[in-house]
Amino acid sequence: GENVEQHPSTLSVQEGDSAVIKCTYSDSASNYFPWYKQELGKGPQLIIDIRSNVGEKKDQRIAVTLNKTAKHFSLHITETQPEDSAVYFCAARTGNQFYFGTGTSLTVIP
Amino acid sequence: DAGVIQSPRHEVTEMGQEVTLRCKPISGHNSLFWYRQTMMRGLELLIYFNNNVPIDDSGMPEDRFSAKMPNASFSTLKIQPSEPRDSAVYFCASSRTGGVQPQHFGDGTRLSIL
Repeated sequence: GENVEQHPSTLSVQEGDSAVIKCTYSDSASNYFPWYKQELGKGPQLIIDIRSNVGEKKDQRIAVTLNKTAKHFSLHITETQPEDSAVYFCAARTGNQFYFGTGTSLTVIP
Repeated sequence: DAGVIQSPRHEVTEMGQEVTLRCKPISGHNSLFWYRQTMMRGLELLIYFNNNVPIDDSGMPEDRFSAKMPNASFSTLKIQPSEPRDSAVYFCASSRTGGVQPQHFGDGTRLSIL
């Protein structure tokens, strides 16, 4: 089956700096890659996604890039703000299966 | 939309007791998912329904767990009898697309089995 690895597990950045979270996957048949943000006491929230026929997608301060050859995709957050502090999960869909990464706890220091 | 609504938000009970978690998906969504989250195992899919029919229950830990979706607006996850190792946060999610990817999660039920 698919194996989704996520790095780093924790990340601290100064407010205003950029944050990058990376995920790798093993199955070349994976074709959909969403990212979720989970705030304390809440459920994961879908924040951005990318399909395998696209290399990059941007939505205001967040962007996701996909490298199908290397089988990795990344979440980029620019001009970080304290409210970006949360746990971020990547995920991958392969056929009828869906796999979450292990999560990255992001702390934005004011 | 009101979002995915789960109840109760917190449940504390003694081992051996029956536990019932409830979920109301977003209106019009035809896929519903039950996930369990723990520090050790992360997010685990327990079961998902499409158009009220269970599609994949391979993640249900054992016969003590059961899930039902009697109609498009309600689902339950039942644990009987409960054990301390069932302690976790249980999430319900729904999706409009009918695929295997959850779009909207509820805020979860934090379950503690003593």
